[in-house]
Formats: sequence, C-alpha cells, structure tokens
Amino acid sequence: GESVGLHLPTLSVQEGDNSIINCAYSNSASDYFIWYKQESGKGPQFIIDIRSNMDKRQGQRVTVLLNKTVKHLSLQIAATQPGDSAVYFCAEKPYSGGSNYKLTFGKGTLLTVNP
Amino acid sequence: NAGVTQTPKFRILKIGQSMTLQCTQDMNHNYMYWYRQDPGMGLKLIYYSVGAGITDKGEVPNGYNVSRSTTEDFPLRLELAAPSQTSVYFCASTAGARTDTQYFGPGTRLTVL
Repeated sequence: GESVGLHLPTLSVQEGDNSIINCAYSNSASDYFIWYKQESGKGPQFIIDIRSNMDKRQGQRVTVLLNKTVKHLSLQIAATQPGDSAVYFCAEKPYSGGSNYKLTFGKGTLLTVNP
Repeated sequence: NAGVTQTPKFRILKIGQSMTLQCTQDMNHNYMYWYRQDPGMGLKLIYYSVGAGITDKGEVPNGYNVSRSTTEDFPLRLELAAPSQTSVYFCASTAGARTDTQYFGPGTRLTVL
C-alpha cells in the first residue's frame, strides 16, 4: 500500500545551526501534508502544513518545501534551539474523491540539538 | 479550553483483562480519532468517528471497539488484552474540514503482561 516514510531516523545538530528533516511519500494522490513535533511523553503537536498546489510555506522559524515531481517533503528549522529537540513526523491526507480525514504518518525523525 | 484529555496516563493490564481508555474534547469537534504508537514507529489509526453515533475502522482495529454517544467523548475499549496491545494510545480531534489540524491528547501508556 501507499506509505509516508522518512530518509533519516536521527539528526543531531548544533544549537544555532539550521536543521533539515526529509520525508518521502509514495501516494501521488496525496494533496495535503503536515509536519508534527512530538516531545518526549507528549502527544504530537502541529507545526506547519502545506497543500499540493504550493511548493513552499513559511512559518515562524520553520519552512516546509514540497517537491511533487520526486514526491519529497522537507522541514527546515532555522537557528535550531534546544527546545526543538523532539521527534518530527510528516503526515499526509490523500484525496479520495470525497471526504477523507485520515492521516498517514511516517516513522519520525529524532532531532537532537547539542548546546 | 482543555483541548483533548485522556485518562488514565498509565496502565498495566494482565493478559485477558479488559479496560476502557477515555478521551474527551471540549472544542466541539466533529471528528475524533484513536491512534496507537509503538516504540520507534509512527502513529497507526485504530478507529475514527465523523460525528456522534458514527464510527469506522482504521488501519489496525482488531482487538478494539469504540463508541461515540456524544460529540465530546470517544472511548476506546480493549476486551481481551494481549501483549501485542502494549503501546502508547493517542486520541485526536479535528473540526472536520480537510485541512483542519488534528489536536492530540497527551496519550495513555498501556502495558499488557
């Protein structure tokens, strides 16, 4: 079946550096993508989303890039801080021709920020 | 608003026991979801509901049951606990539009011995 996956299971960066977390998806019918942050012992928290009619979207210190040609999604975090240490998940909602509200999650990337 | 709340936070069950994981949201969201998260893995959908009285199976529904008698509550029932159900369970809700954010509860960590 279709799946959402991540290239790197772990990423370690220095405080102040930029972080890039990657995600590959295989369902060409997917039209909405979301990045979630999950801190230890907590539920996932929404970071940023992007629709398939866009290739870039910016938030506060975060940018999501979507390359539909190669089915690739990335999350860029600028000036990474210790509080950014967490597991980051990409998720997608496929367009099924009707209402479809079910997210498919990737495995996640553990981001560790070193002081 | 408290958002999405889940109880209990932790639970240990013996094989064959049953329990109900509680989930409540105070955002008047129509859509509610139950996920399980195994160590080092992403979230897998167990059941979801698009409104009171309506539920449907997700990716991994076997061994679980749900009900949705009110908009606010979406309990998850385990009838005969098995070690394979050891996991962290998350409840989530969304207002309903395709691009609405899913809000997650803090999770319930369940161990079946």
